[in-house]
Amino acid sequence: DQQVKQNSPSLSVQEGRISILNCDYTNSMFDYFLWYKKYPAEGPTFLISISSIKDKNEDGRFTVFLNKSAKHLSLHIVPSQPGDSAVYFCAAYYYGGATNKLIFGTGTLLAVQP
Amino acid sequence: DVKVTQSSRYLVKRTGEKVFLECVQDMDHENMFWYRQDPGLGLRLIYFSYDVKMKEKGDIPEGYSVSREKKERFSLILESASTNQTSMYLCASRVGRSNTEAFFGQGTRLTVV
Repeated sequence: DQQVKQNSPSLSVQEGRISILNCDYTNSMFDYFLWYKKYPAEGPTFLISISSIKDKNEDGRFTVFLNKSAKHLSLHIVPSQPGDSAVYFCAAYYYGGATNKLIFGTGTLLAVQP
Repeated sequence: DVKVTQSSRYLVKRTGEKVFLECVQDMDHENMFWYRQDPGLGLRLIYFSYDVKMKEKGDIPEGYSVSREKKERFSLILESASTNQTSMYLCASRVGRSNTEAFFGQGTRLTVV
C-alpha cells in the first residue's frame, strides 16, 4: 500500500522553463512534507519542506505547494537548470508521539535539457 | 554540518552470509532509519529507531534486523543474505521531533551473489 505516490516516473524540461513535480498521499495523518533530490550513487539531499498548516513554502528557485483537501503537493522549480537533473523524491511524516515514520514516494527523474 | 556515515560504499556478499551494514551519525539525533532503494520502487523503509534500544518495523522488515546499542550507531543486519536483497541501502537520521528534515548517508550498494 503506497501511501506516498509520484505518478510520473520521469519529466523532461527545457533549461529556463518551469519544472513541476507532483506527489499524492493517502494518509491524512501526515503533518510534514519534504522534497529530496538524489544523484546516482549518492544519498538524497534535502531540498525544501512544508508543514501541513501551510499551503506554500518558497526557497529561492524552489516552491512547494500543499493542497490538503486533495492530498496533493507539488514542487516548482523556476527557472530549471541542467544541474537540477536528478531524481526527486517527496516524503511525508506522521508524528505519533514517541515514534514518527518518514515515508517516501517512488521518485521522479527530472531531465533538464540545455 | 550533520554527518551520516555508512561504513561501506560497495559490498559484495555471498548468498547465505550474515551481513552487517553500519551507520554512524555525529549530531546526537534520536531518530535513525534504514531504507533500500530499488528502480521503480523508490525508497522503502526497512526499520527505524526512535531512541537507543528502541526499534520499529518499517514497510519491508522481512529478512532484516537492526541494532541500536548506542545513540550514534544504527546497524542493519541481513541474517542470511539472498539475491533479492541486492540493492542500494540508505541510512538517515534526524532530531526526534516533528518538522525537521532527515539527513542521509552516502549509501551502500550491496550485491548478493
